[in-house]
Amino acid sequence: KAGVTQTPRYLIKTRGQQVTLSCSPISGHRSVSWYQQTPGQGLQFLFEYFSETQRNKGNFPGRFSGRQFSNSRSEMNVSTLELGDSALYLCASRLGAVHNEQFFGPGTRLTVL
Amino acid sequence: AQKITQTQPGMFVQEKEAVTLDCTYDTSDPSYGLFWYKQPSSGEMIFLIYQGSYDQQNATEGRYSLNFQKARKSANLVISASQLGDSAMYFCAMREGLRDGTASKLTFGTGTRLQVTL
Repeated sequence: KAGVTQTPRYLIKTRGQQVTLSCSPISGHRSVSWYQQTPGQGLQFLFEYFSETQRNKGNFPGRFSGRQFSNSRSEMNVSTLELGDSALYLCASRLGAVHNEQFFGPGTRLTVL
Repeated sequence: AQKITQTQPGMFVQEKEAVTLDCTYDTSDPSYGLFWYKQPSSGEMIFLIYQGSYDQQNATEGRYSLNFQKARKSANLVISASQLGDSAMYFCAMREGLRDGTASKLTFGTGTRLQVTL
């Protein structure tokens, strides 16, 4: 069974631009979560989607948004990029909202210049 | 207060030896789960082991075992027979609110960098 896939793996943008990251969960998994990892703040929860609905949201500004499609694939969008948005963005999937084992993708490394 | 505390920024262990990575947590929720993840330099977070707060026995997965001491709120990871490929960052994480169905996010510790030497 294929794992969680994320595209692109690397991305370079400039301040003020917007970016869309994509995540395909493990086949059959309906819950997708997004995390931001930076050296200063560590791993922080962005949001979780289940059956196309956002279940929970972390403490991030409205520039960070996401969505989930009917096939469980998810996208995350960051608008008006700031230098501080440079990070590794990790997507994780699990079978359902009450299942605990959560599997991560390889991440998208975003650099904002 | 930190929800997850990992007090060892870095650890060294010799190949074939066992090593314990410390993790303490803070929660008032009676229903929670504890996780350990491994993150090699490639960046991918690899799930290692899970322990539920109501689980009676300590979790084990191959060379990994979780030393769960509920009263002390600790969930240490024990890696037996260390291998060179075990060199990585290790993160302890917690998910609260398992019983009421609101469980969503994982809260991570700051991690421990493990270096396995010959």
